Amino acid sequence: EVQLVESGGGLVQPGGSLRLSCAASGFTFSSYWMHWVRQAPGKGLVWVSHIHGDGSVTTYADSVRGRFTISRDNAKNTLYLQMNSLRPEDTAVYYCAVLPDYWGQGTLVTVSS
Amino acid sequence: DIQMTQSPSSLSASVGDRVTITCRASQGIGNYLAWFQQKPGKAPKSLIYAASSLQSGVPSKFSGSGSGTDFTLTISGLQPEDFATYYCQQYSTYPITFGQGTRLEIK
Repeated sequence: EVQLVESGGGLVQPGGSLRLSCAASGFTFSSYWMHWVRQAPGKGLVWVSHIHGDGSVTTYADSVRGRFTISRDNAKNTLYLQMNSLRPEDTAVYYCAVLPDYWGQGTLVTVSS
Repeated sequence: DIQMTQSPSSLSASVGDRVTITCRASQGIGNYLAWFQQKPGKAPKSLIYAASSLQSGVPSKFSGSGSGTDFTLTISGLQPEDFATYYCQQYSTYPITFGQGTRLEIK
């Protein structure tokens, strides 16, 4: 059974940093592109970033490029999202996903003073 | 970026009804379209991929069709557990983009 379990969310002040993790199991992690998708409270789904199975290719949404960094450790079957210079508009539930098939349960990031 | 427009934005229906949700892409995306169901406080659940292929374990009451720019999701024999928000998503071109969602409510 595929499982994606996010962690690392929490409350952070504007300008601060957080690192999200996503522990994957039940599939050959290194063979799949992995994605981060976020959802602000009461709003729709927004794609954030993705990374190739071997980590060689990454892409970002314009809204996070230069502030967020996606990475992965295939030995640990774990996906990461390093979020720097956080803004109130980054407040959202962050999901890791194997699109379009599998989603984690999400982790809430709140950026507020 | 490719814009995905769903209609309607909200929909009221009764148990047992058949409903159709449409999704239009601002440019052709072939069949690189997925549909998701999301219930309050839960992660999205994949229903359909490649426009018309049913995900494993998803009941056949859900069906998808279309290609190019126009797509539909049809749900037959609505049950209480089907009342949720539905999203389309294109994965033809980056950035991946989602429709704004269709909220399906009980009449």
